[in-house]
Amino acid sequence: DGGITQSPKYLFRKEGQNVTLSCEQNLNHDAMYWYRQDPGQGLRLIYYSQIVNDFQKGDIAEGYSVSREKKESFPLTVTSAQKNPTAFYLCASSEKQGKDTEAFFGQGTRLTVV
Amino acid sequence: AQSVTQLDSQVPVFEEAPVELRCNYSSSVSVYLFWYVQYPNQGLQLLLKYLSGSTLVKGINGFEAEFNKSQTSFHLRKPSVHISDTAEYFCAVSDKYNFNKFYFGSGTKLNVKP
Repeated sequence: DGGITQSPKYLFRKEGQNVTLSCEQNLNHDAMYWYRQDPGQGLRLIYYSQIVNDFQKGDIAEGYSVSREKKESFPLTVTSAQKNPTAFYLCASSEKQGKDTEAFFGQGTRLTVV
Repeated sequence: AQSVTQLDSQVPVFEEAPVELRCNYSSSVSVYLFWYVQYPNQGLQLLLKYLSGSTLVKGINGFEAEFNKSQTSFHLRKPSVHISDTAEYFCAVSDKYNFNKFYFGSGTKLNVKP
């Protein structure tokens, strides 16, 4: 089955640690995205990538980093510089052109700082 | 940048009653419009989308939405809700000339009561 896989589903981080959230897609989509979701705030864009080896900052990129070395993978690192990282993180992908114009989402990773 | 406004953060409704979830967007350019549903601790699932053509769009689970260009609205409706429709609903917009960027509303929690 084609889709987007995020792992792990739950992640606990100690303050001052960096953690990496995994996102893999087998939909052959060019574009991939990371969103952060907090209660009552909807989805806020962290980073997005339209092509391999290229990515752009979204609205809340501070304290986060990404890489796009392969078309199917777009990992997100939450660094110690992110002051309030506890949130639900969603990865998505979409076609650059063609009929599948919507974003497809993974099941999310819930990150908690302990 | 575009913005999406979901006017109601929460909508309580009794089972088998009709419901309308409101969405307005700010863009003055041609847009694609989407409604997504999210169940607790899960990713977003596409309900329906408007790309072009008929302004009345039908989606899964008996939902439909109407695109109104003059009012820049894309309200979601269902004539008779079920307990299983209890979830959070997100409206999203992308513009036709840059459809790799999606803009989401803050979400509406639909609470269906027996």
